[in-house]
Amino acid sequence: EAQVTQNPRYLITVTGKKLTVTCSQNMNHEYMSWYRQDPGLGLRQIYYSMNVEVTDKGDVPEGYKVSRKEKRNFPLILESPSPNQTSLYFCASSSPIAGQETQYFGPGTRLLVL
Amino acid sequence: GIQVEQSPPDLILQEGANSTLRCNFSDSVNNLQWFHQNPWGQLINLFYIPSGTKQNGRLSATTVATERYSLLYISSSQTTDSGVYFCAVEETSGTYKYIFGTGTRLKVLA
Repeated sequence: EAQVTQNPRYLITVTGKKLTVTCSQNMNHEYMSWYRQDPGLGLRQIYYSMNVEVTDKGDVPEGYKVSRKEKRNFPLILESPSPNQTSLYFCASSSPIAGQETQYFGPGTRLLVL
Repeated sequence: GIQVEQSPPDLILQEGANSTLRCNFSDSVNNLQWFHQNPWGQLINLFYIPSGTKQNGRLSATTVATERYSLLYISSSQTTDSGVYFCAVEETSGTYKYIFGTGTRLKVLA
């Protein structure tokens, strides 16, 4: 089954404790992306990657890091989480082939930073 | 950057009614997608529609790229259509940098 998986699905942590949210896709997609969703603000792109070792900042990259060492994985790293990073996070992937750019989303990760 | 506005922000319908959701964007785009976020938070792609019209069951979408808007039509709505509908555009073609609208929250009453 074609899918994007994220782990963990729920996470409560404390300010300053480094954490990683994993994302993996099994569709051989070149493009992967991280979004955060906050009430009233819709989804905002954090980082995106067009291929292995190619990443770029989205609209809200501050406080986040990413890496793309393998095509299927795109982890999101919070080196020193703060309460304003409490949010719902989504990973997405898609193909760059014209007409097939549909984005597929993971199930989301709810993060609470105390 | 591109601005994306959706209207209405909220919509309440009786089951069986039809509705039209609108997405306006401030610049030309090569990639526009509609998504449904169900009450459990799951995001499902509905349409990839940079231009023209597509239909999928009770849902259809039309994008008029030259006039910078897209419409999502829901016919004979069902309670399972409840949730939030988002449109998203790619800021610059081929970059994979997306801008989402703030969504239309739809509630369908039985």
